[in-house]
Amino acid sequence: AQSVTQPDIHITVSEGASLELRCNYSYGATPYLFWYVQSPGQGLQLLLKYFSGDTLVQGIKGFEAEFKRSQSSFNLRKPSVHWSDAAEYFCAVVPQGAQKLVFGQGTRLTINP
Amino acid sequence: SQTIHQWPATLVQPVGSPLSLECTVEGTSNPNLYWYRQAAGRGLQLLFYSVGIGQISSEVPQNLSASRPQDRQFILSSKKLLLSDSGFYLCAWDKYGYTFGSGTRLTVV
Repeated sequence: AQSVTQPDIHITVSEGASLELRCNYSYGATPYLFWYVQSPGQGLQLLLKYFSGDTLVQGIKGFEAEFKRSQSSFNLRKPSVHWSDAAEYFCAVVPQGAQKLVFGQGTRLTINP
Repeated sequence: SQTIHQWPATLVQPVGSPLSLECTVEGTSNPNLYWYRQAAGRGLQLLFYSVGIGQISSEVPQNLSASRPQDRQFILSSKKLLLSDSGFYLCAWDKYGYTFGSGTRLTVV
């Protein structure tokens, strides 16, 4: 079945450590790819998106993501996390030919001081 | 600049009461509009989307409905709320990318 999978429900890292959040998709054609962040009780903020071209995408707040076609993945990374990065992170896709955003289940990030 | 407004931010309603949530966008014309719901501890589920005035597509069967009376207005409604309708409702618009409103937290009691 076509889907977006975020394998990690909850991740805890120490402040200053590096971060990688995983996202895999299963669609026949490469969809458009997005990462969003949601702080508690807030709406969603777009971190970055990939439509085509360079497979390493730079986003806001020091985040980047790399599209790997061979692995059907679009993992989000940050070299050094800050306490303010604690939030829920959602990977999302727009399948080719569709007009709707499909979300993964989200990964909750906790930062240890 | 393009902005999206959602209200109210918080709502507590009794079971069986009606619902109307409103979403409006500014600074654009003919956007695609979406209603998503996020249940507690879960991901986001697409409820409805609209590609134009009066055009509504429903993604999941439920006791909610949506309407688009104007180009930049999208309304989510229910005639009788259920406990299971509780959640965080997000409106989004898309023309060159997806932008979300700040959400409405609905608690049905």
